[in-house]
Amino acid sequence: QSVLTQPPSVSAAPGQKVTISCSGSSSNIGNNYVSWYQQLPGTAPKLLICEDNKRPSGIPDRFSGSKSGTSATLGITGLQTGDEADYYCGTWDSSLSAVFGTGTKVTVL
Amino acid sequence: QVQLVESGGGVVQPGRSLRLSCAASGFTFSSFVMHWVRQAPGKGLEWVALLSYDGTNEYYADSVKGRFTISRDISKNMLYLQMNSLRPEDTAVYHCVRDRPSIQIFDAFDIWGQGTMVTVSS
Repeated sequence: QSVLTQPPSVSAAPGQKVTISCSGSSSNIGNNYVSWYQQLPGTAPKLLICEDNKRPSGIPDRFSGSKSGTSATLGITGLQTGDEADYYCGTWDSSLSAVFGTGTKVTVL
Repeated sequence: QVQLVESGGGVVQPGRSLRLSCAASGFTFSSFVMHWVRQAPGKGLEWVALLSYDGTNEYYADSVKGRFTISRDISKNMLYLQMNSLRPEDTAVYHCVRDRPSIQIFDAFDIWGQGTMVTVSS
């Protein structure tokens, strides 16, 4: 079972903003970088954010990441229909394992 | 072009074994931490195993520890996952994944293969 908690779903109209939270503990988020992944239907996940708030080459600046204490947040501005997907946070845990969040489905109304 | 291509999935009976393979291309395979990540049908992502860049350290999820083994063949640019004593709950798509360049054990999963499906059923 996932040790990082995310809301099951979030939604907003096109052009609006959504935020997705990822809650962990001092054994994971509190002491390690957080990354975020987008999984479009039927495809492999794709890295969106690394090292808490850095966007890999090719990722639009509509996607942003932040972290405070044992929680992290992914923000998506200017929401588009192509952003409908599942989003996961991930990090390293002191139990010597990588961990993922429970996943959040983004719906564009 | 950086690419990871998995193979070896299929239908297997509970208790049997299966070996997954991952062909890496477009990057210096021996310099990167590599992982296996799985996703059961309709479920979320689950990390399975990690192999350090120098091949000396392996880490496993508790759910597969003692049953699965991650390994590589640098001469062939291949990553493997030997899966023994398979259980129905191991049914999933298995992705081969590259880690970002970093001095840390883990940074982020930056390149993903499309995955290979493993079904454990009698």
